[in-house]
Amino acid sequence: EAGVAQSPRYKIIEKRQSVAFWCNPISGHATLYWYQQILGQGPKLLIQFQNNGVVDDSQLPKDRFSAERLKGVDSTLKIQPAKLEDSAVYLCASSFNYEQYFGPGTRLTVT
Amino acid sequence: EDQVTQSPEALRLQEGESSSLNCSYTVSGLRGLFWYRQDPGKGPEFLFTLYSAGEEKEKERLKATLTKKESFLHITAPKPEDSATYLCAVLTDSWGKLQFGAGTQVVVTP
Repeated sequence: EAGVAQSPRYKIIEKRQSVAFWCNPISGHATLYWYQQILGQGPKLLIQFQNNGVVDDSQLPKDRFSAERLKGVDSTLKIQPAKLEDSAVYLCASSFNYEQYFGPGTRLTVT
Repeated sequence: EDQVTQSPEALRLQEGESSSLNCSYTVSGLRGLFWYRQDPGKGPEFLFTLYSAGEEKEKERLKATLTKKESFLHITAPKPEDSATYLCAVLTDSWGKLQFGAGTQVVVTP
C-alpha cells in the first residue's frame, strides 16, 4: 500500500514570497491533516479535513495560510506572504480510523 | 487547556541498557493515547494506540503502558537502530485531533 506522498521535499524562499505544498493521502482515507513541526517540537495541527470539508482550522494563521482539499483526495497548503517564523517542516497525514499516517514532510526555509 | 509533557527531553543509552520514557497528560477526557517514532528527515511512524488505563501494547523491544495520568514507553535491551525521537500524542476529540508532546530523543550507542 502506497503511503502519504508530499512534494516538494525541500523549499527555500525569501520572506514575503509565496509557497505551496501538495499532499496525496493514502487511498480511501477520508481524513487529512496538515501539521507544522518546528525544530525540537512536536507536530502542531494546522488544519483537518474530513473528505473535502474543514473540521478544524483553529490554529491556522488565516491571514497568510490557506488550504484546500478538492474532490476529497489531494490537498494543497499555501503560505502567502511567508515570514521568517514559518521556517519549519510541514507534515501531511491521513487516517481511516484514529491512526494517522504521515508523509515525509516538506522542509521550508524562509530567508 | 490540554497539555502533553514528555520526559526526559533526551536519553543516551548503551546498547542493551533498558529504560523508560514518560508521557504525562492533562486532558478533559482522554479518548486515546498514541506513540510515534520519528527518524531524522522523516515523518512520524505510528507505533501504538492505547485507549484505557491498564492497557499495554508490545512491539519487538518496545512496550507501551497507560495509566490515568501518564503513559510509559519501555525500551528493553535497545539496539542502535532504536535511536529516534519518540513522540506521544493524545486524542482530544471525536474527529481524530491529536495533540503532541515535544518528544524524547533517544540515542543508543554500541
